[in-house]
Amino acid sequence: QVQLQESGPGLVKPSETLSLTCTVSGGSISSYYWSWIRQPAGKGLEWIGRIYTSGSTNYNPSLKSRVTMSVDTSKNQFSLKLSSVTAADTAVYYCARGHPDVHAFDIWGQGTMVTVSS
Amino acid sequence: DIQMTQSPSSLSASVGDRVTITCRASQSISSYLNWYQQKPGKAPKLLIYAASSLQSGVPSRFSGSGSGTDFTLTISSLQPEDFATYYCQQSYSTPGAFGPGTKVDIK
Repeated sequence: QVQLQESGPGLVKPSETLSLTCTVSGGSISSYYWSWIRQPAGKGLEWIGRIYTSGSTNYNPSLKSRVTMSVDTSKNQFSLKLSSVTAADTAVYYCARGHPDVHAFDIWGQGTMVTVSS
Repeated sequence: DIQMTQSPSSLSASVGDRVTITCRASQSISSYLNWYQQKPGKAPKLLIYAASSLQSGVPSRFSGSGSGTDFTLTISSLQPEDFATYYCQQSYSTPGAFGPGTKVDIK
């Protein structure tokens, strides 16, 4: 079955760029859209953005100036870059598959904790 | 942006109880409403999509209803494995905002 796995540094310094990759295994990256969602400790879920395999993106306006998403269909991977991070960006970051028929996130990665600290 | 609210923010219930959680959107989202269950330390799991469609593999004690701005998630007979936090999410437009969550714990 399809599985998602986030990877990237667990610690990022303030003002630097957070970079995460999500690897899709067990299925094709095509025909779906791919999203990043984050969750600060003890808090709710925040939609960061999504990318289609065409490269088309939608970002949360609250983060839009700092977010870049990309997709590499040859590697079955998609990525998140968040620039100029602060302590407020400390969270568990999830990647998720968006199913275009149901308009919902039907498969999620396990999540990766990213701490912003010097 | 569309804002999502949920009530209650938490509730205590017993095994076998019928539980109802409400979600409200700040504007009409038709039936573009999803429900997720999250257990501590785990990723959210899709329960209901399109307001009332049960995701494959999800027990039939979970059901969803509503359209427009008001939605409901119902657990007909609460089981021990259902103690978790539940989030609604709108997929009508981006950003696909989530509600703040409802924590269901043991009475």
